[in-house]
Amino acid sequence: DIQMTQSPSSLSASVGDTVTITCRASQTISTSLNWYQHKPGEAPNLLIYAASSLQSGVPSRFSGSGSGTDFTLTISSLQPEDFGTYYCQQGYNALVTFGPGTKLDIK
Amino acid sequence: EVQLLESGGDLVQPGGSLRLSCAASGFTFSKYAVTWVRQAPGKGLEWVSGIGASGGTTYYAGSVRGRFTVSRDNSKNTVYLQMSSLRVEDTALYYCATYDCSTNCYRNFDSWGQGTLVTVSS
Repeated sequence: DIQMTQSPSSLSASVGDTVTITCRASQTISTSLNWYQHKPGEAPNLLIYAASSLQSGVPSRFSGSGSGTDFTLTISSLQPEDFGTYYCQQGYNALVTFGPGTKLDIK
Repeated sequence: EVQLLESGGDLVQPGGSLRLSCAASGFTFSKYAVTWVRQAPGKGLEWVSGIGASGGTTYYAGSVRGRFTVSRDNSKNTVYLQMSSLRVEDTALYYCATYDCSTNCYRNFDSWGQGTLVTVSS
């Protein structure tokens, strides 16, 4: 199975900050990398697919980059509603795996 | 409007069985693959299983392979997850989600249900 790691595991940031979360795959996955936001009591929400494509309806302050094994999610001009846990997920093969998550708190 | 509604979650004893359902509406269900993802209390998201649009292909995480079976009935717009030999560690909120694998398959789960809770305990 492809293992996914994320860093940091948690972070705290202020409104207006730019936040970067990194994700690494244990083997190359091309651009088959997706990002989700998950808030307590809600279903996960797809933010970015194919490493850098913005899902319809997601604010443009969210962006993704990377290919191969190293990927980044950037949130520009952080808003109060951006709290939650962020997960990367590889879809390179049918045995999908998620990263362990990055919990984002708003100061 | 795309809707996915999970049901069937319950309290079950270790070694027991349970069948979850995921009922879909608002889109052409037979064109989409479906996946099950779970979240144990205090833990992250864990992929469990997936099934292709026609039902001809199925996939399982190692932690559930041999114990869980995914199936679908496109005439009823429903996917099922039959769970047997349940363990305490299967306790989780189970979500179903859809993805389109007809062209470029990134397995990006773009629509989710609200989840159904499975508790395995004696």
